[in-house]
Amino acid sequence: DGGITQSPKYLFRKEGQNVTLSCEQNLNHDAMYWYRQDPGQGLRLIYYSQIVNDFQKGDIAEGYSVSREKKESFPLTVTSAQKNPTAFYLCASTNTQGYGDTEAFFGQGTRLTVV
Amino acid sequence: KQEVTQIPAALSVPEGENLVLNCSFTDSAIYNLQWFRQDPGKGLTSLLLIQSSQREQTSGRLNASLDKSSGRSTLYIAASQPGDSATYLCAVAYYGNNRLAFGKGNQVVVIP
Repeated sequence: DGGITQSPKYLFRKEGQNVTLSCEQNLNHDAMYWYRQDPGQGLRLIYYSQIVNDFQKGDIAEGYSVSREKKESFPLTVTSAQKNPTAFYLCASTNTQGYGDTEAFFGQGTRLTVV
Repeated sequence: KQEVTQIPAALSVPEGENLVLNCSFTDSAIYNLQWFRQDPGKGLTSLLLIQSSQREQTSGRLNASLDKSSGRSTLYIAASQPGDSATYLCAVAYYGNNRLAFGKGNQVVVIP
């Protein structure tokens, strides 16, 4: 089945530690996105990538980094510079470079908790 | 600012009643509007996508309308069931933005 796979489902980070969230899609989509979801708030865009080897900052990129070495993969690293990383992280993809007339698909999310 | 608003934040309805959820957006220059469902601790499941040129979309018990001139979309769920209990999110793809603007969602409880 085609879709987006995020792993792990739950992740715990110690203070000062970098952690990487995985996002893999087999939909052959060009564009991929990372969102952060906090209780009582809407989804906020962290980073997005429209093509391989290229990505742009979203609204809340500070303390995060990404790479896009393969079309199907878009990992997100939460660095120690991110002071409040506890949140639910969602990865999405669309089949064109940008939303246009295309439907967005989401993964099942990774819940990150600082311990 | 290109915003999306969903009111109320939470609502409860008895089983069998029709659900009506509203979404407002501030700019009519949109590519599309998408309705999602989110269960607790889960990702987003796409329910309906309405293109800018369309007035409505239907899938089973779900119907979504789009009125760009007034900046509104409505999601109708006919004959609600307890399994419809979830948070429903509206998202708008605005022209000139490579992102979706999300509302905060309507948390729905269908009471058996």
